[in-house]
Amino acid sequence: GAGVSQTPSNKVTEKGKYVELRCDPISGHTALYWYRQSLGQGPEFLIYFQGTGAADDSGLPNDRFFAVRPEGSVSTLKIQRTERGDSAVYLCASSLDTLTGELFFGEGSRLTVL
Amino acid sequence: QKEVEQDPGPLSVPEGAIVSLNCTYSNSAFQYFMWYRQYSRKGPELLMYTYSSGNKEDGRFTAQVDKSSKYISLFIRDSQPSDSATYLCAMKRGSGTYKYIFGTGTRLKVLA
Repeated sequence: GAGVSQTPSNKVTEKGKYVELRCDPISGHTALYWYRQSLGQGPEFLIYFQGTGAADDSGLPNDRFFAVRPEGSVSTLKIQRTERGDSAVYLCASSLDTLTGELFFGEGSRLTVL
Repeated sequence: QKEVEQDPGPLSVPEGAIVSLNCTYSNSAFQYFMWYRQYSRKGPELLMYTYSSGNKEDGRFTAQVDKSSKYISLFIRDSQPSDSATYLCAMKRGSGTYKYIFGTGTRLKVLA
């Protein structure tokens, strides 16, 4: 498809488990973002990639969260030792460049930690 | 104080009404502004994108930016029940920066 693709769309896990969320950006978009959206809130910035490198990971809440983008396209957000407070929708967005920076979002991965 | 403030609503209007949605912000360096529409359990969909001050129109939607007042607006003319969604504003500083800051979103209900 032409849009940003995220998998899984829903993930239910138990506290303490490890989770991976995948994002496939729009073809040709070099910039990739992860945002987290809690119920009734706007998206909050987690991490930004320009190409393969994480240019800014200042939004990651703690060291249980990690993201990679090894080939400059698909990205994976990894969460270790999940906690109930990690429950949220994790949104991925991509952008052609950062000069103008129109962000195009995927449908999100809804994470529920029991 | 949050950098971007947005009334969460809900805002209920009759079909056909003109809707005004607003955000205020505190950082005078913001230059790029976007409005997104988000249906329940869906990702945000880009509606309008504007740079600096002024107006931009696209069909039934008009985006306004007043940098002197640090205030942005989205107007929806002839509102339809299908416009019922949450509307998010987002903004960032100048070119070369990348981090968009989002408002909390305003829930809009257009009643048939």
